[in-house]
Amino acid sequence: LAKTTQPISMDSYEGQEVNITCSHNNIATNDYITWYQQFPSQGPRFIIQGYKTKVTNEVASLFIPADRKSSTLSLPRVSLSDTAVYYCLVGDPLFSGGYNKLIFGAGTRLAVHP
Amino acid sequence: KAGVTQTPRYLIKTRGQQVTLSCSPISGHRSVSWYQQTPGQGLQFLFEYFSETQRNKGNFPGRFSGRQFSNSRSEMNVSTLELGDSALYLCASSLGPGQGNEKLFFGSGTQLSVL
Repeated sequence: LAKTTQPISMDSYEGQEVNITCSHNNIATNDYITWYQQFPSQGPRFIIQGYKTKVTNEVASLFIPADRKSSTLSLPRVSLSDTAVYYCLVGDPLFSGGYNKLIFGAGTRLAVHP
Repeated sequence: KAGVTQTPRYLIKTRGQQVTLSCSPISGHRSVSWYQQTPGQGLQFLFEYFSETQRNKGNFPGRFSGRQFSNSRSEMNVSTLELGDSALYLCASSLGPGQGNEKLFFGSGTQLSVL
């Protein structure tokens, strides 16, 4: 199974760049890497997804090295509203019928301070 | 386009009762998956449905069941409730297989309290 390892928690200050690294040593060839953000009492929200190299959207960047055994979510200039839990996921094709299932790890609890 | 809708938002039950939770996916999404979230265990996958068929199941007892209707709406049922079933139950919808690694769109969840 393609499992992920992330830091349990991180602290930052408003205006700083935050980088959260995720390890996924058993990532499969066809797997993508996806990051979600979750606020208390809400469902997770999709942030960004990538396969290799670098992906950037309006809220974050995702850096994936050539071996794809890790990835780094980069949040530029965080604000207090970025305080949340961030989950790194990889696709898991090891199910009957070849269907994918996304496994959520414990996530990284990011606290942004004024 | 409306998001994923889960009802009810809050629910209080007593041990031994059963409960049914409802999820309406985003229009056009055909896959619905369910997750249980507790402070101690985090987000745990329950099951996933596509075209009215359960295609994946997590490691939960048979008291947890679900189904999907022809309009892609889904329900999950928990019978003989236990105190440990108290959790936030989240539903997520996605386009379905063959779409690359699927992006999940979550509802706000149903907060179930078992007394």
